[in-house]
Amino acid sequence: DAGVTQSPTHLIKTRGQHVTLRCSPISGHKSVSWYQQVLGQGPQFIFQYYEKEERGRGNFPDRFSARQFPNYSSELNVNALLLGDSALYLCASSPEIGSWDEQFFGPGTRLTVL
Amino acid sequence: GESVGLHLPTLSVQEGDNSIINCAYSNSASDYFIWYKQESGKGPQFIIDIRSNMDKRQGQRVTVLLNKTVKHLSLQIAATQPGDSAVYFCAENRGGGSNYKLTFGKGTLLTVNP
Repeated sequence: DAGVTQSPTHLIKTRGQHVTLRCSPISGHKSVSWYQQVLGQGPQFIFQYYEKEERGRGNFPDRFSARQFPNYSSELNVNALLLGDSALYLCASSPEIGSWDEQFFGPGTRLTVL
Repeated sequence: GESVGLHLPTLSVQEGDNSIINCAYSNSASDYFIWYKQESGKGPQFIIDIRSNMDKRQGQRVTVLLNKTVKHLSLQIAATQPGDSAVYFCAENRGGGSNYKLTFGKGTLLTVNP
């Protein structure tokens, strides 16, 4: 079975632009979470979606938004990019809401903001 | 404030030795903890979890200890192998409520010398 997939793998943007990152969960998983991992730090929780609804939100500005589609895939959108948004963006899927022990991470999208 | 942190940022051990990685948490409301392993270029991988109603849990070559009195969590790896070299994160979930959120610590880099 395929694991969590993310696209693109790498992305370079300039300040002020917006970006859309995509995630496909493991087949049968209904929940998707997004994390930001700055180099040298642990992942920081951004959102958790379940059945197309936002069920968890971290301490990120409104420039960050996400959505989940009927097929459970998800997009993370970031507007008005700042240099500090440069990070590895991780997507994770799990079968149900809050089933952290069954949460699997994708390889991430490396975003560089110049 | 709310935080999950680690005592040691790096740990170097000899192959075959036991490793102990520590983590301190500050929120007494946390009721679920996870240890993750992250290898270079990959997303975090679940190792073992423990709920706050337990003080010890064992897996294959790994043991997690939870001391709620001093808000301390540790991961013990027996007979450490070169393949165990990675960054290890603890994470906590406060549970309940309507905001599903997982908080990660900063990580410890484990290096296993052959």
